[in-house]
Amino acid sequence: QVQLQESGPGLVKPSETLSLTCTVSGGSISSYYWSWIRQPPGKGLEWIGYIYYSGSTNYNPSLESRVTISVDTSKNQFSLKLTSVTAADTAVYYCARGLNNDAYTNDFWGQGTLVTVSS
Amino acid sequence: EIVLTQSPATLSLSPGERATLSCRASQSVSSYLAWYQQKPGQAPRLLIYDASNRATGIPARFSGSGSGTDFTLTISSLEPEDFAVYYCQQRTNWPPTFGGGTRVEI
Repeated sequence: QVQLQESGPGLVKPSETLSLTCTVSGGSISSYYWSWIRQPPGKGLEWIGYIYYSGSTNYNPSLESRVTISVDTSKNQFSLKLTSVTAADTAVYYCARGLNNDAYTNDFWGQGTLVTVSS
Repeated sequence: EIVLTQSPATLSLSPGERATLSCRASQSVSSYLAWYQQKPGQAPRLLIYDASNRATGIPARFSGSGSGTDFTLTISSLEPEDFAVYYCQQRTNWPPTFGGGTRVEI
């Protein structure tokens, strides 16, 4: 059974960079799409972007200027960097795996990690 | 960006009753629509993909239908563990977008 686990700081100061890593266990990161999705407290879900194991990426246009997603196949990990954060970036951040060859439908999710942007 | 509107916002039902949830898209998404269930403090769980395909391990009481702009998630007989928030999500256009959710409460 594939498992995903997010890790990273739970508190980030405004204007700084949010950095999270997702570690995949129970399966290989190869041959799948991997996504970051976030959910502000009490609100709905927002897609941040995805990366294919080969390194190709696609980002939500609303965040594209601030987002970088990267992959490290040797460690079975992929990562998210979001620059110049504000309070509006406070959210639970999920990493997820694409179903089969589909980048946009996610069958396995991490438990999520709350990131708060505050000084 | 495609907007998905879910209705009703809240559905109050009893165990054993049938639940019918609606998702309407601002433009056609063909059959590229998924449904997720989310319980408090948990990640979303994939129920249905491509409008009507049950994900692995999902009970047969969950079914999806529709195409184009109008979709329905039906839970034939509610179990206690089904009380949760349900989201629809389209993958026709980038970025994928989610509906605002329907809360199914006891």
